[in-house]
Amino acid sequence: DIQMTQSPSSLSASVGDRVTITCRASQSISSYLNWYQQKPGKAPKLLIYAASSLQSGVPSRFSGSGSGTDFTLTISSLQPEDFATYYCQQSYSTRFTFGPGTKVDIK
Amino acid sequence: EVQLVESGGGLVQPGGSLRLSCAASGFTFSSYWMSWVRQAPGKGLEWVANIKQDGSEKYYVDSVKGRFTISRDNAKNSLYLQMNSLRAEDTAVYYCAREECGPTGGLVSYYYMDVWGKGTTVTVSS
Repeated sequence: DIQMTQSPSSLSASVGDRVTITCRASQSISSYLNWYQQKPGKAPKLLIYAASSLQSGVPSRFSGSGSGTDFTLTISSLQPEDFATYYCQQSYSTRFTFGPGTKVDIK
Repeated sequence: EVQLVESGGGLVQPGGSLRLSCAASGFTFSSYWMSWVRQAPGKGLEWVANIKQDGSEKYYVDSVKGRFTISRDNAKNSLYLQMNSLRAEDTAVYYCAREECGPTGGLVSYYYMDVWGKGTTVTVSS
């Protein structure tokens, strides 16, 4: 199975900060990488698919980049509603796998 | 409105069985792969299983192979997860999710889970 790692596991940031989260795959997955946001007690929400495509309705401050094994989710200017946990997920294999998550909280 | 609603969760003893259901509405259910994803208390997301549009292909995470069975009834717009030989480590919120394929017209098809239910809680404990 393809293993996914994320760094950092958590971070503290202030409103307006630029935030970058990294995801790494154990083998090349081309651009088969998705990003989700999850708030406590809620279902995950799709942010980015195919590594860099913004899901409809998601604010443009979210962006994704990367291909192969290394990927990045960037929030250009952190907003109060962005404090949440972020997960990457590969769909290169039909047997999907998620990263362990990155919790973004208030500094 | 596109919607997924899970049901069937509850408290079950170790070794017991439970059948989860997911009712889909607002879209052509038979046109989509569907997945189950779970989240243990305080833990991250874990993909559990998925099923092709016509049910001809099914895939599972290793930890549930031989114990869980994913199925669907396109006439009823419903997805199921039959869970047998349940263990304490199966305790989690179980989500069903729609697998979209895009971008439209692209040379390559990327799969992503774009619609999620609110989840149903399964607790395995004596």
